[in-house]
Order: sequence, then structure tokens, then C-alpha cells
Amino acid sequence: GENVEQHPSTLSVQEGDSAVIKCTYSDSASNYFPWYKQELGKRPQLIIDIRSNVGEKKDQRIAVTLNKTAKHFSLHITETQPEDSAVYFCAASWVRAGNMLTFGGGTRLMVKP
Amino acid sequence: NAGVTQTPKFRVLKTGQSMTLLCAQDMNHEYMYWYRQDPGMGLRLIHYSVGEGTTAKGEVPDGYNVSRLKKQNFLLGLESAAPSQTSVYFCASTLEEERGDTDTQYFGPGTRLTVL
Repeated sequence: GENVEQHPSTLSVQEGDSAVIKCTYSDSASNYFPWYKQELGKRPQLIIDIRSNVGEKKDQRIAVTLNKTAKHFSLHITETQPEDSAVYFCAASWVRAGNMLTFGGGTRLMVKP
Repeated sequence: NAGVTQTPKFRVLKTGQSMTLLCAQDMNHEYMYWYRQDPGMGLRLIHYSVGEGTTAKGEVPDGYNVSRLKKQNFLLGLESAAPSQTSVYFCASTLEEERGDTDTQYFGPGTRLTVL
């Protein structure tokens, strides 16, 4: 089955700096890669996703890049704000596998004001 | 439009007791999922369903059963609860695949279960 590794497990940045979280996946058939933000005690919320036919996608301060050859994808947050503090999860899925998501272990991002 | 809802929000069980968690969605989604999230970890898939009357095993199915008798509901059962099943349980749903693409999974608010 699919295996998703996520690094780092914790990340502390100063407000205004950029943050980068990286994930690798094992199954070359995976074709959908979402990123979720989870605040303490809350449900995961989708913040951005990318499909395998696209190399990069951007939404305001958030961007995701995908390297299919190397089987890794990354989340980039620019101009970080204290409200960006949360746990971020990457995931991967394959369209023919019932859209089952395999999640990475999560990254706790702390943005210091 | 309530999205994905889960009941109950919290539950404490004793070892060996049984219970059923209910997930409901009003978005007419075909696919539904049950995940568990242990402290400091990512979500792991327990069971899923690709349509009414169908279920399939995920990554960690042992000790759980599921049923999808109605399209909008997906039930997760614990027949004999164990302390190792202490976790937060999330339900999710999504539209069926379109044009070969997968689609966004929408999560419920979660059920916090403690087994003593």
C-alpha cells in the first residue's frame, strides 16, 4: 500500500518568515495530493490540493509543488501569521483505490509573533 | 446544509462494551470513510464505502465493523471495546470520481472516544 512520510514533525518560524513542509510518497500510481490544516480539537480542513497533471499550484500565501519523478510534494507558506499555527497534514490517494487517503504523520507549525 | 455530522461528540466506554458511531452527510456524496487519529499522529483509514450497501476495509479495520444501509449514513461499530481503541474518530465523505479525478474529502467534527 501507499506510504507517506512528512518532514519536519515540528517547525517554528518567526512571523513574516516562510515555512516549507515536505512529503514523499511511495506509490507511483497516486495522483491526488491534498494538504489539510488541523487546529487543536478541530477537524482537518483542506487548504490546498494538487493533481498529478500539475507541477505547482498557488492560492494567495499558500503554494504546493509536486515532483512526480522524485515522488515528493511540498507545502510553502509565505508571510506566515500567528493564525497559521496548527498541525498540517499531507496525504496521497489513487483514483482507482476508492479515493482512499494515506496521511503523513503531520507537522506542528508554530509562528512566533 | 449541515455537511458532515457525527454523533456522539464524546463517549467513555468500559473495556468490553459496545457502541455505534453515526456519520451523516447531506451532500449526496457517494463515498464515505471512517478514520482514527491517535495523539500526535496522522489519520488512519479504518473502513470505507463507495456506495449504499457496500463497505471495504482500510488500513486498520480490526475490531471495527461498518454498515452503509442508506447513502447519507455510515455507521462504525465497536463490538467489544478495548483501551487500544481510545482515539478520535473522524468521518469523511466525497463525491465519486469524476473524469478519473479524485475529489475533496470533507470531514466531520470528530468523536472523542475513551475506553477504560
